[in-house]
This record gives sequence, C-alpha cells and structure tokens, in this order.
Amino acid sequence: DADVTQTPRNRITKTGKRIMLECSQTKGHDRMYWYRQDPGLGLQLIYYSFDVKDINKGEISDGYSVSRQAQAKFSLSLESAIPNQTALYFCATSGGGRGGGNQPQHFGDGTRLSIL
Amino acid sequence: AQSVTQLDSQVPVFEEAPVELRCNYSSSVSVYLFWYVQYPNQGLQLLLKYLSGSTLVKGINGFEAEFNKSQTSFHLRKPSVHISDTAEYFCAVSDRTGNQFYFGTGTSLTVIP
Repeated sequence: DADVTQTPRNRITKTGKRIMLECSQTKGHDRMYWYRQDPGLGLQLIYYSFDVKDINKGEISDGYSVSRQAQAKFSLSLESAIPNQTALYFCATSGGGRGGGNQPQHFGDGTRLSIL
Repeated sequence: AQSVTQLDSQVPVFEEAPVELRCNYSSSVSVYLFWYVQYPNQGLQLLLKYLSGSTLVKGINGFEAEFNKSQTSFHLRKPSVHISDTAEYFCAVSDRTGNQFYFGTGTSLTVIP
C-alpha cells in the first residue's frame, strides 16, 4: 500500500461544481502539503499544514480551501471550479514537526483534474 | 527569501552519455538541498539530499550532486545515462526550520537510444 494516497486519481467535472480531493498518509508525518503542477511551471504550493491546528496559505491559495481532519488526512476543495484550475494536483508529507527542514517530502501519485 | 533556478528546462542526451542538470539557489541563510525525480504518471521521489558534511552527495540510480557554497549551486550528474532515466527532475531548497521551502521549475531529461 502507498504511504501517501490520493483520491480520486482522475476527475472530470464542469465549471461551477464543488470538488474535493482527498489525501491520506500512513507515514505518521505532521506536515502535509498540497501542490498543483502545470507544464513548464513546476510545482506551485497551494496550502500547507504543520500540524492539525496549523494551516497556512501557499503562493496560489485563491479559489482553494483545505481541511486537516486528522494527522493523517488533508483534503483540498475547489468551491466553484473554473477551467484554469485544470491541472495535476499533488499531496505530500514530511516529518520533523516544527524543525523539519532536513526532512524530504513524500508525494502521492497525483490527481489529474479537468474542468470543462 | 530563497529561490531556486533550474537553468535548463529540457535536456536531451544520448544513452550511455554523461549528463549534468544544473541548479542554482539564492539564500542568505544556511539551507538544505534536495533533488527529486518524477517519472510519468507518478509523484516526485527523492533522489538525494545535502544536509551537511561532504559536498559530494550520492543518491539512488547512480546519480550524484555536488554542493558548491561559493557558487550557490547544487548540480546533479550521472556518468552514463539509461533510457529509464527519462523523467522530470526537480531541485528544491529548504531553510533549517522547513518553514520556507521552494522547488525549481524542473528539467525534463530525455535519453535518446
């Protein structure tokens, strides 16, 4: 079983719909992240959470919201999807709590989201 | 503030030839450096990391990278590439706390038979 699991793997939906992408991890890590990947732009950080009660906006949080339901679960929502949110979305985790700069991030396999 | 620059967006190379993927970073504080690889339809996986000590770091699949503090670089190298090395490669930097971390925009390595 994967350490970081994203569901769904693929999703096609229409403009204006509400969408939730889910991420769960079995690594016991405190830190969790959501990224989107667009060709040529690399990874853009949407939100990150250093523990259940600590959630922070990343560089492109507009149009997105998150919920950290438990240490192991971190979901990303698009309240009203628009076509330019079509992208590949990744969840990641890392250990080390509040001093974890030396800890690498562990990624899920991604969710490919298409908004028509 | 930190940033990461991957100077080449695409690198084609023939099979069994050497390759170098370049990464430069800017930071006023001590950092940790990472290289990740992304194969098609997969998430990123850690190739190697520099935390401290020896400036030459060896990773998986025969890759290595050299930390050069004076040039603020962390270039990735492999002496002989294989078809299976075709992938996207990302350089990343983190401060000591992990509160600030940045990924480069990636380098697409294509190995030509």
